[in-house]
Amino acid sequence: NSKVIQTPRYLVKGQGQKAKMRCIPEKGHPVVFWYQQNKNNEFKFLINFQNQEVLQQIDMTEKRFSAECPSNSPCSLEIQSSEAGDSALYLCASSPQGRQNTLYFGAGTRLSVL
Amino acid sequence: GDSVTQTEGLVTLTKGLPVMLNCTYQTTYSPFLFWYVQHLNEAPKLLLKSSTDNKRTEHQGFYATLHKSSSSFHLQKSSVQLSDSALYFCALKNYGSSGNKLIFGIGTLLSVKP
Repeated sequence: NSKVIQTPRYLVKGQGQKAKMRCIPEKGHPVVFWYQQNKNNEFKFLINFQNQEVLQQIDMTEKRFSAECPSNSPCSLEIQSSEAGDSALYLCASSPQGRQNTLYFGAGTRLSVL
Repeated sequence: GDSVTQTEGLVTLTKGLPVMLNCTYQTTYSPFLFWYVQHLNEAPKLLLKSSTDNKRTEHQGFYATLHKSSSSFHLQKSSVQLSDSALYFCALKNYGSSGNKLIFGIGTLLSVKP
């Protein structure tokens, strides 16, 4: 079983509503990633953090998403105003520090925007 | 830029037969390749990883060899089981980005029939 915990497993929102999901990374992993997996199973990188600092994010995330990884609290990803195209599986992954290290994924939050 | 190509979207096999799932990549950096497996409604899990040229790596009956000369990291198994039915993703560590995110292929759905 995955040690990366994501909540909720399922999230249903109307268009224009906020949608917030959380991730508890594996203990001792300072690097956290968010990916979006669409209905065609394609992975899109959204944002990553190292020790609460944003390392990289795509344009979409910068404009419409709010994400943070505070110390001693779950990481979160929030869509400010949900769109139908945001319906997807949102996967959080964590990784030990270092260039050669693996990503460990959670089971994801499946968002449906009606 | 860096990319990963998986040529088969769906592979259907009878139990006990061998399988090879193709993965080729493009990068200007030293390659570090991964195979992840995702069963229905579960987290993607690491299956194999390698950054060593021409060295076979094995796990749970699956094996792959990174060939830098052909930019390939094909996944193989000599005898598939029903429980191997899942999505298989090839991924490349993207050293050119901050935080070393993974770039994923589009995935191959392996369906094993009795």
